[in-house]
Amino acid sequence: QKEVEQNSGPLSVPEGAIASLNCTYSDRGSQSFFWYRQYSGKSPELIMSIYSNGDKEDGRFTAQLNKASQYVSLLIRDSQPSDSATYLCAVIPSGTSYGKLTFGQGTILTVHP
Amino acid sequence: NAGVMQNPRHLVRRRGQEARLRCSPMKGHSHVYWYRQLPEEGLKFMVYLQKENIIDESGMPKERFSAEFPKEGPSILRIQQVVRGDSAAYFCASSIQDNEQFFGPGTRLTVL
Repeated sequence: QKEVEQNSGPLSVPEGAIASLNCTYSDRGSQSFFWYRQYSGKSPELIMSIYSNGDKEDGRFTAQLNKASQYVSLLIRDSQPSDSATYLCAVIPSGTSYGKLTFGQGTILTVHP
Repeated sequence: NAGVMQNPRHLVRRRGQEARLRCSPMKGHSHVYWYRQLPEEGLKFMVYLQKENIIDESGMPKERFSAEFPKEGPSILRIQQVVRGDSAAYFCASSIQDNEQFFGPGTRLTVL
């Protein structure tokens, strides 16, 4: 079992729709979770961090965390073609007092006009 | 307000040569991380450093790879005697403490 797994994708949504990206993790003690966006040939860009169960909203983005289910998701509302990228879920494993990120393999999102 | 800086952005080496990758963290950030992204693979942690200290190098190959973050100057990731399998994108990230990490533009290493 991979430490961090993301829905395989690629995911294609029409412009204006909600894109839903999912991530599960195996380390039950993990406390810190992040979503990064990576455009082709570019570096990862931090979108959201979430540490507590529930929802966290920032503009069109909402991160959802459910530690009991070991599940974290990212919703993108009113998707735009510029949102087309690879989305990376990252987790800091338990027992680590610093940011040693473990990444999922990424989900490719395409938003078509 | 400069972000994380890496240079060179592209580096071409022949097999057996040395590669030196440099990373200057964001201003005020004292934690530096190096990650590697192989073609068609995910990002993998390599090493975590603070000034003059290697805190965790568990993700770094035991041979040929080394990293440092001196008191003055950038962090350096050094790869000796490069092989074709070292061709990848190498990203540096920095943070204030064990918080959100911000990534530099990366160095794309190509080994001929």
